[in-house]
Amino acid sequence: DAGITQSPRHKVTETGTPVTLRCHQTENHRYMYWYRQDPGHGLRLIHYSYGVKDTDKGEVSDGYSVSRSKTEDFLLTLESATSSQTSVYFCAISLDLTYEQYFGPGTRLTVT
Amino acid sequence: ILNVEQSPQSLHVQEGDSTNFTCSFPSSNFYALHWYRWETAKSPEALFVMTLNGDEKKKGRISATLNTKEGYSYLYIKGSQPEDSATYLCARPGGANSKLTFGKGITLSVRP
Repeated sequence: DAGITQSPRHKVTETGTPVTLRCHQTENHRYMYWYRQDPGHGLRLIHYSYGVKDTDKGEVSDGYSVSRSKTEDFLLTLESATSSQTSVYFCAISLDLTYEQYFGPGTRLTVT
Repeated sequence: ILNVEQSPQSLHVQEGDSTNFTCSFPSSNFYALHWYRWETAKSPEALFVMTLNGDEKKKGRISATLNTKEGYSYLYIKGSQPEDSATYLCARPGGANSKLTFGKGITLSVRP
């Protein structure tokens, strides 16, 4: 199994508070991704990174920011959480943009 | 955004039945087609990555075919077992240097 961890695994927070989710990999893969999973929508890409300090937006990036200061860590920040951001968040990694992706265990975030 | 469609949305079969799913996608600028298996409470795992028209890949009782000219891929499961119950996702990059777009998935439930 690819070495990908996510923290925290579960979080409950209040509307308006900032939240940061962490993805950590031990595989030295260049690409890292953040997805959200919602019923009826499957997996939707929030942001991705193609190297240290190199990031780009996905299809549902509004309300989210990311940072990658080290190859192994990719952080997803909700600056001011809203109830619509209640979801399960998956991190993924890949060697190249079009190669198969390996997914982390997911983080369940509830915004009350 | 690339339009990747999967059908049917869900499928209920009896143990021992064989089943197949369809993934449809734009045929222009094709580069690769991915299939993932996603069990409940787990993370998606890659099944196949297919790149050539006419490709056929197999893993145990699961196989997949690819038609890039008409823009579809079939996933077959021979003799379904309860442990095959999962959501099956397909995904396609927009091109050689593009990120994946996932379909919404097909949820398979196999009754013992």
